[in-house]
Amino acid sequence: DTVLRQSPGTLSLSPGERATLSCKTTQSVSGAFFAWYQQKPGQAPRLLIYGASSRATGTPDRFIGSGSGTDFTLTIDRLEPEDFAVYYCQQFGSSPPIAFGGGTKLEIK
Amino acid sequence: QVRLVESGGGLVKPGGSLRLSCAASGFSFSDSNMSWLRQAPGKGLEYISYISSGGGAIFYADSVEGRFSISRDNAKRTLYLQMNSLRAEDTAVYYCAKDLFSAAPGPFDYWGQGTLVTVSS
Repeated sequence: DTVLRQSPGTLSLSPGERATLSCKTTQSVSGAFFAWYQQKPGQAPRLLIYGASSRATGTPDRFIGSGSGTDFTLTIDRLEPEDFAVYYCQQFGSSPPIAFGGGTKLEIK
Repeated sequence: QVRLVESGGGLVKPGGSLRLSCAASGFSFSDSNMSWLRQAPGKGLEYISYISSGGGAIFYADSVEGRFSISRDNAKRTLYLQMNSLRAEDTAVYYCAKDLFSAAPGPFDYWGQGTLVTVSS
C-alpha cells in the first residue's frame, strides 16, 4: 500500500509569509488522484485541492497545488490568519486503499 | 446548500454495536457516491468505507472489514454505518462525506460535522 509522508510536521510562520507543505508518497501516484485538505480545530476537513492542482469550490487562489509522481506540494502565498490549521494530503481513486498523510500543522509564529 | 448531518454516536462497551446515520440535503443524494471516514482523538484521518450511488459497489478498509457494514436509503436520503464488535481502537469522530466524482472513491467535497463514538468499558 502507498504511504503518504508529510513534512514538516509543524510549520511556524507569520501572516503574510509563504508556506510550503510537502507530501511524498512511497509509490508513484497519478496527479489526477491527489488532493489536499484543511482542518481547523473542532471542524471537519475541507477539500482545498484535487487533481494535484485544481482548486475546489471556494478555495482562494493563494492556495497552489503542484507536483507529480511521488512528490507533491501545497504552497500558500501571503498567509492569512484563517490559514493557520492542519493540512492533510490524500491519495484517492479506483484502487483502494485511500490514504491520507499524517498532516502538517501550520501555526502562527 | 449541501448539508450532511451525522447521528447515532455515543458510548458503547467493547464488543457492542452502534448504527450511525447521515442525513443528506441540498444535493442529488441518489446520484452521489458516499463515504465514511474517522479521526481518532488527536490523530489523523482514516478512510473506512465507501458506497456507490446505487449501492452496487462497496469498499471497506481492512481495519473494519467484517465488522462494519455501509448502506444507504436513497428515498430517505440517508447513509448508514452499522458497527459491530466494536473495539477501543474504533474510538473516533466519524464523518460522512460526499464523493466529488462519480467514477471512484474520493476526493470528498462535503463533510458532515462528525459524531463521536467512544468504545470503553
